[in-house]
Amino acid sequence: EAGVTQFPSHSVIEKGQTVTLRCDPISGHDNLYWYRRVMGKEIKFLLHFVKESKQDESGMPNNRFLAERTGGTYSTLKVQPAELEDSGVYFCASSQAPEAIEQFFGPGTRLTVL
Amino acid sequence: AQSVTQLGSHVSVSEGALVLLRCNYSSSVPPYLFWYVQYPNQGLQLLLKYTSAATLVKGINGFEAEFKKSETSFHLTKPSAHMSDAAEYFCAVSPSGAGSYQLTFGKGTKLSVIP
Repeated sequence: EAGVTQFPSHSVIEKGQTVTLRCDPISGHDNLYWYRRVMGKEIKFLLHFVKESKQDESGMPNNRFLAERTGGTYSTLKVQPAELEDSGVYFCASSQAPEAIEQFFGPGTRLTVL
Repeated sequence: AQSVTQLGSHVSVSEGALVLLRCNYSSSVPPYLFWYVQYPNQGLQLLLKYTSAATLVKGINGFEAEFKKSETSFHLTKPSAHMSDAAEYFCAVSPSGAGSYQLTFGKGTKLSVIP
């Protein structure tokens, strides 16, 4: 069984540019989470999808971040325009429904904004 | 609100020595508790979890953790460190009620194993 995959593994962009991160959860997992780790700090929750619906987006830092989950399968996280403080590692995780506790994490996307 | 404190951002142990990584949590509701490990260039892997069953939880690779409600702790231990245990370890908590199971993480502890 394939695990959670994320693309790209690394992204280096200039301040003001747009970047889109993609996450493919484990097949059949209805729950999809995005987290972010800024350098030197803890991993922080961004948002939670149940199928294609946003269950909880309380962790999204501001309106420059837009997350979507088309058809309840893969998800994208777009940052537009990117700022220096957006640099960090973005993790995606998935879990089975309905009240799955264990989340399976992807390898993360390292985003560097110059 | 929930929070997690991991004491020590870096811990070094000799190969064969006891590994003890400390985690204290704060939660307004009964929590679920987790330890995750991240090896270089990999994602987070679940080591073990506490979900209100037995307070002593055994995980993969010989790790275990004990939930102590009175101390609000969930320390991770392994009797004998192996070189392959060198990694970063994260303690996390989530609420035990229905709804979003978002994880709240500690800052992580990097474990070095000295030969």
